[in-house]
Amino acid sequence: EPEVTQTPSHQVTQMGQEVILRCVPISNHLYFYWYRQILGQKVEFLVSFYNNEISEKSEIFDDQFSVERPDGSNFTLKIRSTKLEDSAMYFCASSGLAGETQYFGPGTRLLVL
Amino acid sequence: DAKTTQPTSMDCAEGRAANLPCNHSTISGNEYVYWYRQIHSQGPQYIIHGLKNNETNEMASLIITEDRKSSTLILPHATLRDTAVYYCIVRVVGYGGATNKLIFGTGTLLAVQP
Repeated sequence: EPEVTQTPSHQVTQMGQEVILRCVPISNHLYFYWYRQILGQKVEFLVSFYNNEISEKSEIFDDQFSVERPDGSNFTLKIRSTKLEDSAMYFCASSGLAGETQYFGPGTRLLVL
Repeated sequence: DAKTTQPTSMDCAEGRAANLPCNHSTISGNEYVYWYRQIHSQGPQYIIHGLKNNETNEMASLIITEDRKSSTLILPHATLRDTAVYYCIVRVVGYGGATNKLIFGTGTLLAVQP
């Protein structure tokens, strides 16, 4: 069964450093998403991406964040200058078409020191 | 904010059916009811969704009331591995203008007891 994969599973970084989280969506999916979950809190939407551009983003997704689909398989989330409060689980998801079921990856646990 | 209300937690005996309720009294005619679960901070796992008819798949059944203001997710024979947080989410499924984001609430922590 096709699944969304994410790398790395864990990342530890120093405050102010740049991090790139990687995702490989399900191969025939066209819509891609990032969500995050701070420890003990709700899963929060960050951004959705379609046809090489952002289709929707939340207030959390400020200028420190960017997304990219650098090739035909990967989807990345970049945080330019990490802050302590960026520590969270980051989940990638994909769906075939707009509004279809979203399937999530296992997540990347980011710890900013 | 999430448009659903769920109990904070529930217990269920292993092997018995787990019935998880969800209230969505403000649901619109074009909104579907989706259920996901999250096992110990893993990625949310899709379970089932429906519009107005009852649905069943290999994981669960979804019963939606006739007025669509509430629904129940049924795990027919709960196992210890079903211990998780279960999220009930309403969303528009369609094209053009509808947001695709999922809005998660706090969900129901289902604890399956041996």
